[in-house]
Amino acid sequence: DVKVTQSSRYLVKRTGEKVFLECVQDMDHENMFWYRQDPGLGLRLIYFSYDVKMKEKGDIPEGYSVSREKKERFSLILESASTNQTSMYLCASSNPGLALGTQYFGPGTRLTVL
Amino acid sequence: DAKTTQPTSMDCAEGRAANLPCNHSTISGNEYVYWYRQIHSQGPQYIIHGLKNNETNEMASLIITEDRKSSTLILPHATLRDTAVYYCIVRVAGYGGSQGNLIFGKGTKLSVKP
Repeated sequence: DVKVTQSSRYLVKRTGEKVFLECVQDMDHENMFWYRQDPGLGLRLIYFSYDVKMKEKGDIPEGYSVSREKKERFSLILESASTNQTSMYLCASSNPGLALGTQYFGPGTRLTVL
Repeated sequence: DAKTTQPTSMDCAEGRAANLPCNHSTISGNEYVYWYRQIHSQGPQYIIHGLKNNETNEMASLIITEDRKSSTLILPHATLRDTAVYYCIVRVAGYGGSQGNLIFGKGTKLSVKP
């Protein structure tokens, strides 16, 4: 069974803290994605990666960075957390080509920044 | 903006077929139709996708009209666990760049009632 796991389901941080969200997939997928989901705004793509050490900005990359040192792991970093980054963060993975739209999502991390 | 239009909500009786419509009148020839669902507090789950032929898998059937301007997702025997928000997404096939995006609209909230 395909599996995408995220390091925490719930996280509470303070403004200005550096925050790491980890995502691991066990399907040997080449592509990995980070989204955030907010009420009324749907899912928005933050960053994605199509290979180890490769990354591309999505629609809302400001305030975030990512790291992909190993194929199975994709990390989202909030360098200095702010209250407007309170959100549900979702990681996904897929294979390239025609399978690119078939993305497998993790359970999500609900981050609260105080 | 999402390129699809879906009803905001629908109800379905348990054990009956749930038919969820989606309009995508501006779909291009190289765009697939994808369906995902999101059960409360979980990550989105891939259901099915198609280009122009009808498709069926263990979860659902996808009926695409001949002009490809609309489609219907069919859950043949809805259960209470199928209560979720269902998203219809169109995206190009292939690999690379922002084509990796899945643009989720507001979806249809399906409530399956006993």
